[in-house]
Amino acid sequence: NAGVMQNPRHLVRRRGQEARLRCSPMKGHSHVYWYRQLPEEGLKFMVYLQKENIIDESGMPKERFSAEFPKEGPSILRIQQVVRGDSAAYFCASSPLIAGGNYNEQFFGPGTRLTVL
Amino acid sequence: EDQVTQSPEALRLQEGESSSLNCSYTVSGLRGLFWYRQDPGKGPEFLFTLYSAGEEKEKERLKATLTKKESFLHITAPKPEDSATYLCAVYGGSQGNLIFGKGTKLSVKP
Repeated sequence: NAGVMQNPRHLVRRRGQEARLRCSPMKGHSHVYWYRQLPEEGLKFMVYLQKENIIDESGMPKERFSAEFPKEGPSILRIQQVVRGDSAAYFCASSPLIAGGNYNEQFFGPGTRLTVL
Repeated sequence: EDQVTQSPEALRLQEGESSSLNCSYTVSGLRGLFWYRQDPGKGPEFLFTLYSAGEEKEKERLKATLTKKESFLHITAPKPEDSATYLCAVYGGSQGNLIFGKGTKLSVKP
């Protein structure tokens, strides 16, 4: 059973360009989450999606950032007009359907390391 | 405000020297506390889920425990391959919002 897959693993962009990060969840998982990790800082939640729906985007900057999880294909995190401060590791996680009062663990991909020149 | 604090920030142990990592949390209504291990340049690797005070989970040299305010990750007779950053996380106010601590960087010397 393949784990969470992310590509590319490394992405270099110049200021003002667009970055597209892709995430394929584990088989059977219908929930996808995106997190950002800055050097010396903890993982910060960005957005939570189910197929064709954004459930919670409270951690995502209002401008330049968007996310989608279409009916077919991977989830995409899109950053428009990147700036140097966007340089970070971006992790995707997935979990199975939530049932009951407790919540399931999230399984993480290897991350995409974005460098903005 | 929901919060997770891990201590110490860094821990150096000799091989075989047992110790514990602490995770203190403040959250309204715990819906799961999670421990992950993260190696440099990699994504977090899931270790344990704890749901209620008094619960314990074990895996090889690791044992996680939970109280109403904190969790401990006990490492018994660690080996150099246990060197990594250990992350603690809880679900926050919204359904998908995992709140992470900054982690404890563990180094085990042979």
